[in-house]
Amino acid sequence: QKEVEQNSGPLSVPEGAIASLNCTYSDRGSQSFFWYRQYSGKSPELIMSIYSNGDKEDGRFTAQLNKASQYVSLLIRDSQPSDSATYLCAFPGRGYNKLIFGAGTRLAVHP
Amino acid sequence: GAGVSQSPSNKVTEKGKDVELRCDPISGHTALYWYRQRLGQGLEFLIYFQGNSAPDKSGLPSDRFSAERTGESVSTLTIQRTQQEDSAVYLCASSEGTGHQPQHFGDGTRLSIL
Repeated sequence: QKEVEQNSGPLSVPEGAIASLNCTYSDRGSQSFFWYRQYSGKSPELIMSIYSNGDKEDGRFTAQLNKASQYVSLLIRDSQPSDSATYLCAFPGRGYNKLIFGAGTRLAVHP
Repeated sequence: GAGVSQSPSNKVTEKGKDVELRCDPISGHTALYWYRQRLGQGLEFLIYFQGNSAPDKSGLPSDRFSAERTGESVSTLTIQRTQQEDSAVYLCASSEGTGHQPQHFGDGTRLSIL
């Protein structure tokens, strides 16, 4: 079992819709989770951090964490073409010496 | 404030040459990380520095790879006798500490081995 699983996509949504991105992880001891956005040819950019069960909202982004189910998701409301990118979920490895990244979900928002 | 700065942004070199990549972390960030991302692939951890502690080199793929960091400042990643499989984007990240702190990435160095 991979440590982090994400659907590679592409996930295609129309402009204005809600995009839902999902991530499952194997380490039950994980306490913090991060969502990064990576545009083609660019480096990852942190968009959300979440540490406790439930929802965390920041503008059009909502991160949802369910530790019992080992599941973290990212919702993007009112999707825009500029949201088209690869979204990576990540959590600290044991020893906190690195982030373990999923392979990423490619999101395409079409006008 | 200034973000993580990496140089050069692009490097093209011949197979067998040595290369040195530089990373300047965000001021005040004690932790520094190097990752590698091959084309179309995920991020691969290489090495981690935390303050004056011994670095975690567990991700370095071979003894041709080495990295240094002086205190909590600049880090250099050196690849000796480069091979074509070393072609990738090398990303540096820093964080305020370890544990639950998010990492912030530089723009990366795109390395191409001819």
